Amino acid sequence: EAQVTQNPRYLITVTGKKLTVTCSQNMNHEYMSWYRQDPGLGLRQIYYSMNVEVTDKGDVPEGYKVSRKEKRNFPLILESPSPNQTSLYFCASSMEGTYGYTFGSGTRLTVV
Amino acid sequence: GQQVMQIPQYQHVQEGEDFTTYCNSSTTLSNIQWYKQRPGGHPVFLIQLVKSGEVKKQKRLTFQFGEAKKNSSLHITATQTTDVGTYFCAGGGSNYQLIWGAGTKLIIKP
Repeated sequence: EAQVTQNPRYLITVTGKKLTVTCSQNMNHEYMSWYRQDPGLGLRQIYYSMNVEVTDKGDVPEGYKVSRKEKRNFPLILESPSPNQTSLYFCASSMEGTYGYTFGSGTRLTVV
Repeated sequence: GQQVMQIPQYQHVQEGEDFTTYCNSSTTLSNIQWYKQRPGGHPVFLIQLVKSGEVKKQKRLTFQFGEAKKNSSLHITATQTTDVGTYFCAGGGSNYQLIWGAGTKLIIKP
């Protein structure tokens, strides 16, 4: 089944403790992206990647890192999480940046 | 920068009534896509429109792309409880990125 898999689904952590949210797709998509979704603010793009080893900042990149060493994986790294990064995070992939996106099921992160 | 405005933010309807959400872009879009996010779920791709003036239907859903490729609408006829959720439009921008509308939440009145 074609899908984007994110882990974990839920995560509660403390301020400053580094964490990684994994994202993997099995559709051989070139394009991958991370979004955060907060009430009333819609989907805001954090980082995106057009291809392996090519990443770029989205609208809200501060406090996040990404890497794209393999085509299928696009982890999101929070080096020192803060409470304002409490949010619902989605990974998405697409054949290319303006084609239909497939989203993962989401990761609900709480930073205390 | 490029923006896509989506209205309304919320729409309350009685079951059986129609629902419409509108998106307007400040610039010409290469395409427009529509997604549905059920409560507690993730956005799911519904459809993509590419051509100027294009109209597509999926059962009770009708999607339109404006002649100038700057606006779009989604119309649902005779809403059902299964239609509840947030509908997002997303337009193809000039830098091969999608520009997202803020979404319209469809609420069915009890």
